[in-house]
Parts: sequence; C-alpha cells; structure tokens
Amino acid sequence: AQKITQTQPGMFVQEKEAVTLDCTYDTSDQSYGLFWYKQPSSGEMIFLIYQGSYDEQNATEGRYSLNFQKARKSANLVISASQLGDSAMYFCAMREVTTSGTYKYIFGTGTRLKVLA
Amino acid sequence: NAGVTQTPKFQVLKTGQSMTLQCAQDMNHNSMYWYRQDPGMGLRLIYYSASEGTTDKGEVPNGYNVSRLNKREFSLRLESAAPSQTSVYFCASSPSRDRGYEQYFGPGTRLTVT
Repeated sequence: AQKITQTQPGMFVQEKEAVTLDCTYDTSDQSYGLFWYKQPSSGEMIFLIYQGSYDEQNATEGRYSLNFQKARKSANLVISASQLGDSAMYFCAMREVTTSGTYKYIFGTGTRLKVLA
Repeated sequence: NAGVTQTPKFQVLKTGQSMTLQCAQDMNHNSMYWYRQDPGMGLRLIYYSASEGTTDKGEVPNGYNVSRLNKREFSLRLESAAPSQTSVYFCASSPSRDRGYEQYFGPGTRLTVT
C-alpha cells in the first residue's frame, strides 16, 4: 500500500538558516506526484511545492525546493533563509491513482518547524 | 472567487446527535475530498468524489456519509455522532487538467462531540 513517512515530529532552525524536512514514500506506481503543504497555527492548508515522478529537475518555488531522490523514494523539502513566519506544521503528501482511475492523496503525519530568532 | 468554503467553522454536538458539514467550491473542479485531522495523525481521507454523482470511500469512512449534490457542493453527514469523531474536518477540491493537480483546502470545521 502507498505510504508517506515523516520521521521528524519537530524541528528547530535558527532564523536565516536553511532547514531540510524529511519525507519518504512508498508506491508501486510509475506515475505519481509529491506535494508539500504548510499549516500555520491559524489552521489553513497552504500548498507549497509539487514534484512529478517524471520530472527530471528538482522543483523550486522561491525559498522552497524539493530534493527528489527517486531511487531512494525520498522527497525532502528544503527551506532556505528561514523566516519567523515559516514556523508551522509541514505535511508531505502523495497523489495516487485509484483502481477507478481517479486521484486521491495520502498525507504524512507532519513535521512541526519552529524558527528561532 | 471564494475558493473552497466550509460551514460551520465550529460545532459542538452531544453523542448521538446528527449533523451535516457543508462544502462548496467555485473553481469548477471535478474532484472533491473530505479529510479529518487528529493530533499526530496527519490528514486522513474519509470520502472523495471524482465527479458529480460519484463517491468513494477513503481510509476512515465508518460513521460518515457523503453527498455530491452537484459539481460545486460535497457534504459530509454524521448520522449519530460519537466522541471519537471529535476532530478538525477539511474539505478540499482539485482540478483534473492542471499540471500538479494540487488540492485546494477549505478553512476547516472544528467539531467537538461530548
């Protein structure tokens, strides 16, 4: 069965430093998508970045980049130059195709990031 | 363009009561989803709908029913609420023709069952 694993329940990083949040996945599909979402204390879910399984380049969106290592089945999120506003819960997710050909998504348990001033 | 809206934002129920959580999206998305979020558990899929008139069970469907009323609306019903259903409920939608197919989430409903 498809699975997403986030092994870091909590992380601390100093302001302006870079931080890597780990995500490993398990799937037998050839075509899949990997996502990262941010959930601040206010509770909303904010889409950050997407990586397709066939994308040859690692995805980047501003200060966010996704370190995609297909053979290792890892999709780590790198946040550069951390800001106090980056303090939040971060979820890794994978899009899978169902037997009926539709898409559904599975989520990891999340990593709570705290940026220190 | 409101995106995904959910009502109510907060609700307290007594065990055995019923209620319906409403969700609507104005982005013309085909797929819609209901999740619950519990501490330390991430988001778990309750039900999803690939298109109007179709629904499928997710990871934790027991105790819930859904209706895809039309393309815009996807409701979640608790027929007989239990304390184990205390959670934050998120509705989401996604398009089927965009590159990433990422999900767009509503603001959530915080439900407490006493």
